[in-house]
Amino acid sequence: AQKVTQAQTEISVVEKEDVTLDCVYETRDTTYYLFWYKQPPSGELVFLIRRNSFDEQNEISGRYSWNFQKSTSSFNFTITASQVVDSAVYFCALSEARTGGFKTIFGAGTRLFVKA
Amino acid sequence: SQTIHQWPATLVQPVGSPLSLECTVEGTSNPNLYWYRQAAGRGLQLLFYSVGIGQISSEVPQNLSASRPQDRQFILSSKKLLLSDSGFYLCACTPRTYGYTFGSGTRLTVV
Repeated sequence: AQKVTQAQTEISVVEKEDVTLDCVYETRDTTYYLFWYKQPPSGELVFLIRRNSFDEQNEISGRYSWNFQKSTSSFNFTITASQVVDSAVYFCALSEARTGGFKTIFGAGTRLFVKA
Repeated sequence: SQTIHQWPATLVQPVGSPLSLECTVEGTSNPNLYWYRQAAGRGLQLLFYSVGIGQISSEVPQNLSASRPQDRQFILSSKKLLLSDSGFYLCACTPRTYGYTFGSGTRLTVV
């Protein structure tokens, strides 16, 4: 069965610190997709990144970077030089190709507090 | 790109009252549509998904139902709300590719 674990419930950092949000997943499929979403206080989830299981290249987008390691079933998210606007709940998610993307499983989320 | 309109933003309803939440999509046709619920401080739970008009799949047994009367309209309903139905309800869509677009959500409080 598929499962996504975000062991960090809450993280608190001071502005300009780097922070890594952990995500560990379980799946029996060889083809799957991993996602990160951001949920700011307004509530709406914002899509950040999608990674397919055949692409282990790490990705960097501005202050955001993602480290995908199939060997450890992890898809970690790092924010460099954090800012107060990064305060939000971040969700990692998994979608197996065999379900046609219909059953995306979300982790419980990690609440990030960035203090000025 | 697609946009999801979801309303109302907040709703306070007494136990036993009916519910109707509506979601409409712009900018895409024939999307997959989803209803998720997020209980306070918890992750997202998939409630329903739809791959086309009149096609609804339920993921969890509950007193909620969903309908898709038009291609870009998805409705979440209940005949009698329970206290446990309180939560943040999110509509989402995928235009046949992976990666959701979410609506702004409805915060439902059942009192």
